Amino acid sequence: SQKIEQNSEALNIQEGKTATLTCNYTNYSPAYLQWYRQDPGRGPVFLLLIRENEKEKRKERLKVTFDTTLKQSLFHITASQPADSATYLCAVNDYKLSFGAGTTVTVRA
Amino acid sequence: GAVVSQHPSWVICKSGTSVKIECRSLDFQATTMFWYRQFPKQSLMLMATSNEGSKATYEQGVEKDKFLINHASLTLSTLTVTSAHPEDSSFYICSATRLAGDKDTQYFGPGTRLTVL
Repeated sequence: SQKIEQNSEALNIQEGKTATLTCNYTNYSPAYLQWYRQDPGRGPVFLLLIRENEKEKRKERLKVTFDTTLKQSLFHITASQPADSATYLCAVNDYKLSFGAGTTVTVRA
Repeated sequence: GAVVSQHPSWVICKSGTSVKIECRSLDFQATTMFWYRQFPKQSLMLMATSNEGSKATYEQGVEKDKFLINHASLTLSTLTVTSAHPEDSSFYICSATRLAGDKDTQYFGPGTRLTVL
C-alpha cells in the first residue's frame, strides 16, 4: 500500500503569510488525493479533492496542486489567519484511503 | 450537508467490558461506512469497511472477533469493542460516503475517545 509522507510535523507562520504543506507518496499515482483539516479531539473535515488529471484546485484561500511526475501534492493556505491553526492531513486513494501523519500549522497573530 | 455523528463522544470503561460506538449519517444515505483508529500524534488507520447488509471487511491485523461491526441500515453503523483492554484505548472515528453524488469523498464523524482502565 502507499506510504504517505507529509513534509514536517509542525509549521509556524505569521498571520497573513502563506503556509505551504507538502505531501509525497511512494507508489503509483492515485486516481485522486484529498486534504483534510483536523482539530484537536475532533474528526477530520474534508477540504479539497484533486484528481490525477487536474493540476490545481482552489477553494477560497486554499489551493492544492498535484504533480504525478514528482509524486507530490502541495497545499497552500494564503492570507493565513489564526483560525487556520489545525492539523492538515493528506490522504491518498489506494484501494482504501491512506493518510499521512499530518502537519500541524500554527498561525501567530 | 453530509453530517456524520458519533455516540458517545467519549467513554471510560473497565478492562474486560464491551463498549458500543454508534455512527450515523444524519442528512444522507451512506453507501459505505468506515471505521478508523487514531493514536496520539499518529495518522488515522483504517480498521474496517462496511456496507449495509453485508459483513464488514477488516484490514490486516484487526481482529474481527474483537471489533464487531454491524451496519444495520444506510444511516447507521456500530462498532463494538469486546472485552476491552487498556491497549484498546484510542480515538475511534467513523466516516461515510454518499449513496448519491460524489462517492470519493468520505465525511467523518467527530470521533469517540475510548479509555479502558
